[in-house]
Amino acid sequence: AQKVTQAQTEISVVEKEDVTLDCVYETRDTTYYLFWYKQPPSGELVFLIRRNSFDEQNEISGRYSWNFQKSTSSFNFTITASQVVDSAVYFCALKELTGGGNKLTFGTGTQLKVEL
Amino acid sequence: DAGVIQSPRHEVTEMGQEVTLRCKPISGHNSLFWYRQTMMRGLELLIYFNNNVPIDDSGMPEDRFSAKMPNASFSTLKIQPSEPRDSAVYFCASSLGRSSYEQYFGPGTRLTVT
Repeated sequence: AQKVTQAQTEISVVEKEDVTLDCVYETRDTTYYLFWYKQPPSGELVFLIRRNSFDEQNEISGRYSWNFQKSTSSFNFTITASQVVDSAVYFCALKELTGGGNKLTFGTGTQLKVEL
Repeated sequence: DAGVIQSPRHEVTEMGQEVTLRCKPISGHNSLFWYRQTMMRGLELLIYFNNNVPIDDSGMPEDRFSAKMPNASFSTLKIQPSEPRDSAVYFCASSLGRSSYEQYFGPGTRLTVT
């Protein structure tokens, strides 16, 4: 069965600090996809990134970067020089290609608070 | 381009009433998903459709919940009769059919059952 664990319930940082959000997953599939979504206070869920299980290259997009390590079943998300607008709940999610159909399994989310 | 559209954005109803939530997926997307988000249970998949056909409804809580997708551009989630424990935010999402593709979420409907 697929499972996603986000052990950090809440993180508070001061603006301009770097922050890493952890995500650990469990799956029996060899082919799967990992995602990060952002849920700002307004409530909508915003897609940030998709990564497939065969691509372990790290990715950088502006102040955002993602570190995918199959050896530790982790897909961590780092925000560099955080800003107040980054305050949100961030969800990691997993989709198995064969075992889970087209279903996304979400972690419980990490609430990030960026203060001035 | 328009994203996923949901209506209403907020719904307050009394216990026992019928509630209908509506969703218009992104044009060209052929998979549609209904999720429920609560503090206690997080984000749960209720049901998903592929090419207007329900594929997996194992997440639907009970017979009071039903979902339809009469065409590629419209879906409804109905609760009859509603109960206070149904209070939650209900999200609709759509994606291209292949499993590899990400899902795009609507703004959600905040349902309060008193």
